[in-house]
Amino acid sequence: ETGVTQTPRHLVMGMTNKKSLKCEQHLGHNAMYWYKQSAKKPLELMFVYNFKEQTENNSVPSRFSPECPNSSHLFLHLHTLQPEDSALYLCASSQDQHPRDYEQYFGPGTRLTVT
Amino acid sequence: KQEVTQIPAALSVPEGENLVLNCSFTDSAIYNLQWFRQDPGKGLTSLLLIQSSQREQTSGRLNASLDKSSGRSTLYIAASQPGDSATYLCAAAGNGGSQGNLIFGKGTKLSVKP
Repeated sequence: ETGVTQTPRHLVMGMTNKKSLKCEQHLGHNAMYWYKQSAKKPLELMFVYNFKEQTENNSVPSRFSPECPNSSHLFLHLHTLQPEDSALYLCASSQDQHPRDYEQYFGPGTRLTVT
Repeated sequence: KQEVTQIPAALSVPEGENLVLNCSFTDSAIYNLQWFRQDPGKGLTSLLLIQSSQREQTSGRLNASLDKSSGRSTLYIAASQPGDSATYLCAAAGNGGSQGNLIFGKGTKLSVKP
């Protein structure tokens, strides 16, 4: 266990549904990340929050909406997704956003299928 | 824009062999380079982190090296075991406009046969 949990682990949703992914870290970290892992593509950074403030939005479509109510929790709200959004969504955290000394710790991911 | 490439994409070896996984990156201005392991359908487990000022890091049977000038890192696995079977990812932490961003390679899928 890395100290980062994600729920649900699997999610199947239709294109008109609204759902949310949840991430929680028990490490006392200040930075949290959402990544997308599609088949045959490298992991892609989606969003970064540092001290609850969004610091990165990597040109993600607005049908993905992140929320960070506190340093321990991160949500990804999903609505009107497309089949090509089917992927493994990974959450990660690190002590701070600055990469010099801090490793990122990853959760187990949510396998999302959009039908 | 940083690009990370991993070769080979897949590797199958018999148990007990020593092996090397390769990672190259196009922009040498990195803060650090991390190696991760990913089991099927699972998240990533950090294996080793090499700071830009370091040349190598070791953990058990794993040794990772970093040569910033040539844009290369290698992960050496000694005496491979079936339990080492997984996908190995390398990621470079850049110091461009997006601090903290890890740029990942596509990974090397390793299979160690008993």
